Amino acid sequence: NAGVMQNPRHLVRRRGQEARLRCSPMKGHSHVYWYRQLPEEGLKFMVYLQKENIIDESGMPKERFSAEFPKEGPSILRIQQVVRGDSAAYFCASSPIGQGARETQYFGPGTRLLVL
Amino acid sequence: AQSVTQLDSHVSVSEGTPVLLRCNYSSSYSPSLFWYVQHPNKGLQLLLKYTSAATLVKGINGFEAEFKKSETSFHLTKPSAHMSDAAEYFCVVSVKAPNDMRFGAGTRLTVKP
Repeated sequence: NAGVMQNPRHLVRRRGQEARLRCSPMKGHSHVYWYRQLPEEGLKFMVYLQKENIIDESGMPKERFSAEFPKEGPSILRIQQVVRGDSAAYFCASSPIGQGARETQYFGPGTRLLVL
Repeated sequence: AQSVTQLDSHVSVSEGTPVLLRCNYSSSYSPSLFWYVQHPNKGLQLLLKYTSAATLVKGINGFEAEFKKSETSFHLTKPSAHMSDAAEYFCVVSVKAPNDMRFGAGTRLTVKP
């Protein structure tokens, strides 16, 4: 059973370009979470999705950021018009149908975004 | 809202000596607590979790953690450090739902030969 897959692993963009980060959850997992990790900091929650539904996007910046988890295919985190402050590691996690707060999340290897 | 504080940003030990990584939490409700490890350029791997069962939790790779409600602590320990333990360790608290996980800032563990 493959783990959580993320691609690309590294992404370089110039200011103003778009960044698309992809996440394929573990087989059988229907919940996906996106986190951002800035240098020397812990992970910060961004968004929680189930298939075709955004459950909680309270951690997403109000502008330029969007996420989706379609019926078929990976979850996508999209950042439009990137700025240098968007440079960070973006992690995706997945979990099976929930146990609430006791749920274990399984993390992917992350996408390191660098904005020049 | 819940929060977690990792008391040391960096811990250095010699190979074969004990490891102690400290974590204190704050929560209005009974928390679930997790320790994750992150090796360089890798994703996070779950070491262990506490979910209101036994207060002493055993995890992978010889790690264990003890939930102490009176001290609001969940410190991670290992009797004997191995070189492969060198990594970043994150303490995480969750209360009501999987989307309310709060991560500590991390503790970087260095293991000297």
